[in-house]
Amino acid sequence: KAGVTQTPRYLIKTRGQQVTLSCSPISGHRSVSWYQQTPGQGLQFLFEYFSETQRNKGNFPGRFSGRQFSNSRSEMNVSTLELGDSALYLCASSFSTGNYEQYFGPGTRLTVT
Amino acid sequence: AQTVTQSQPEMSVQEAETVTLSCTYDTSESNYYLFWYKQPPSRQMILVIRQEAYKQQNATENRFSVNFQKAAKSFSLKISDSQLGDTAMYFCAFLRANFGNEKLTFGTGTRLTIIP
Repeated sequence: KAGVTQTPRYLIKTRGQQVTLSCSPISGHRSVSWYQQTPGQGLQFLFEYFSETQRNKGNFPGRFSGRQFSNSRSEMNVSTLELGDSALYLCASSFSTGNYEQYFGPGTRLTVT
Repeated sequence: AQTVTQSQPEMSVQEAETVTLSCTYDTSESNYYLFWYKQPPSRQMILVIRQEAYKQQNATENRFSVNFQKAAKSFSLKISDSQLGDTAMYFCAFLRANFGNEKLTFGTGTRLTIIP
């Protein structure tokens, strides 16, 4: 069974631009969560989607948004990029049936210049 | 709010030795899960082991085992017969067991190096 995939793997953007990252969960998984990983702040929860609805949200500004499609694939969008948005963005998927095990993708490395 | 603390930023151990990584957490919840994740250099995060708070028995997965002390809010990971492939960042994580909640709260990680 294929694992969680994320595209693109690397991105370089300029301040003020916007970016869209994509995540395809493991087949059968209906929950997709997004995390931001930085050296300074560590791993922080962004949001989680289940059945095309945002169920949980972390403490990030409204510039960070996401959505989930009917096939469970998810995208996250960051508008008006800031230098501090440079990070590894990780996506994780789970069945969301109560065993709470999340499986992570390889991440998208975003660099904002 | 939950917090997870990993007090050992870095550790190193000789190959084949046993190493224990520490993790403490703070929560007022009674029903939760604890996890250890491994992130090898430039590779993706892997789930190592899971512990349900309501289970008294410590979880084990091959060479990996935990020492879960619920009253002390401690959750350490023991790696036996360490191998070079165990070199990685190890993150302890907490999840409140409430249906519909998938938010993991992570510690700051421990960088483990296995020395040949």
